[in-house]
Amino acid sequence: QVRLLESGGGLVKPGGSLRLSCTASGFSFSAFFFTWIRQAPGKGPEWVSYIGTSDTPIYYTDSAKGRFTISRDDANSSVNLQMNSLRPEDTALYFCARRNSYASSSGRKYYFFDYWGPGTLVTVSS
Amino acid sequence: DIQMTQSPSSLSASVGDRVTITCRASQTVLTYLNWYQVKPGQAPKLLIYGASSLNSGVPSTFSGSGSGTDFTLTINSLQPEDLATYFCQQTFSTPQTWTFGQGTKVEIK
Repeated sequence: QVRLLESGGGLVKPGGSLRLSCTASGFSFSAFFFTWIRQAPGKGPEWVSYIGTSDTPIYYTDSAKGRFTISRDDANSSVNLQMNSLRPEDTALYFCARRNSYASSSGRKYYFFDYWGPGTLVTVSS
Repeated sequence: DIQMTQSPSSLSASVGDRVTITCRASQTVLTYLNWYQVKPGQAPKLLIYGASSLNSGVPSTFSGSGSGTDFTLTINSLQPEDLATYFCQQTFSTPQTWTFGQGTKVEIK
């Protein structure tokens, strides 16, 4: 059974740091891309960062560039998000999700996030 | 970035009703459109990918349609367990610009 479980959230002051972890089980971890997605109260989800197999490619949303670092540990089936210089607007429920794809008979390749964790809450407040 | 606009933002319907949620993209996304269900305290769940393909294990009461800029998620015969918020997501653009709609909260009368 595929499972993803996030940890590491909490209350932190502006300018502080947190390290989120996502531990996976039930599938061949190294074969998949992963993403961190956050949802602030009352808003739609927003993707934060994305990591491919063998650490390639890596992407960040503009607001995360220079502050957040995504990494993966295939030996331990985990993907991490180091968040530094946190701001109040980073307050959100953070999810990790597995990217998967489907190639249709028409030649189109569809991407989607087929498994998610339940999320970990990050609150940035003084 | 491509903007995704859902309507309505919330709705209330009775058990057995047919419910339709709309998602509109600010530019064409062809059929690169996914739908997710999020229940409070639970992991989000993929319902539909490629605008109309039902994910494995999702009840056939759910269906998706549309292409280009206009898409719909339909719940035929609403059930109490369908109480949730539903989001659309486009994956037409480059991965770092995949965007979600703001969500539609479905309540049971």
